[in-house]
Amino acid sequence: NAGVTQTPKFRILKIGQSMTLQCAQDMNHNYMYWYRQDPGMGLKLIYYSVGAGITDKGEVPNGYNVSRSTTEDFPLRLELAAPSQTSVYFCASSYSVPFNEQFFGPGTRLTVL
Amino acid sequence: TQLLEQSPQFLSIQEGENLTVYCNSSSVFSSLQWYRQEPGEGPVLLVTVVTGGEVKKLKRLTFQFGDARKDSSLHITAAQPGDTGLYLCAGFRSVEETSGSRLTFGEGTQLTVNP
Repeated sequence: NAGVTQTPKFRILKIGQSMTLQCAQDMNHNYMYWYRQDPGMGLKLIYYSVGAGITDKGEVPNGYNVSRSTTEDFPLRLELAAPSQTSVYFCASSYSVPFNEQFFGPGTRLTVL
Repeated sequence: TQLLEQSPQFLSIQEGENLTVYCNSSSVFSSLQWYRQEPGEGPVLLVTVVTGGEVKKLKRLTFQFGDARKDSSLHITAAQPGDTGLYLCAGFRSVEETSGSRLTFGEGTQLTVNP
């Protein structure tokens, strides 16, 4: 199994541009999550999903959107990139209980200039 | 308000030394998870402690959950350069206690073990 995969690894955006961060897992996990990690700030939950077709906001959802059309994929969309969205983004998934014992992807480092 | 506080924030030690990292909160958690994150990678789960007072050992790493389930510690014996990384604690709350995100991460302890 590849586990949780994320693309791209790195990306530089200009202010106002849009992009989609891709996330996929091959472990048949129901629960998936998007976090951002800023230096000294820990991991903050952006959005999460408890199953295909179901998504919900986390702590810091503003400026982002998600969809969950399949169990495997959970893309994160940035519509109008802002410098405040410069961060490292991690996708994660878990199996048995929502939010418990998560498996993380390798991350996407995004810079907005 | 930071629900989980980790200390120290940074720790640089020599190979062979022992160390302890702390994770403290005023809130009670159903369980507490410890993750390790290496540069350029995502966090990897090390252990979950569930019962108040529980102690779990993973080779040279010893994890303890406080009796009141509000705090936890990670002790590393005879640290090695391969232990270098960001150690994150995360408190898990059951669905009866909260809505939304049920996992709260601490800010992490950056450990550097010098050869």
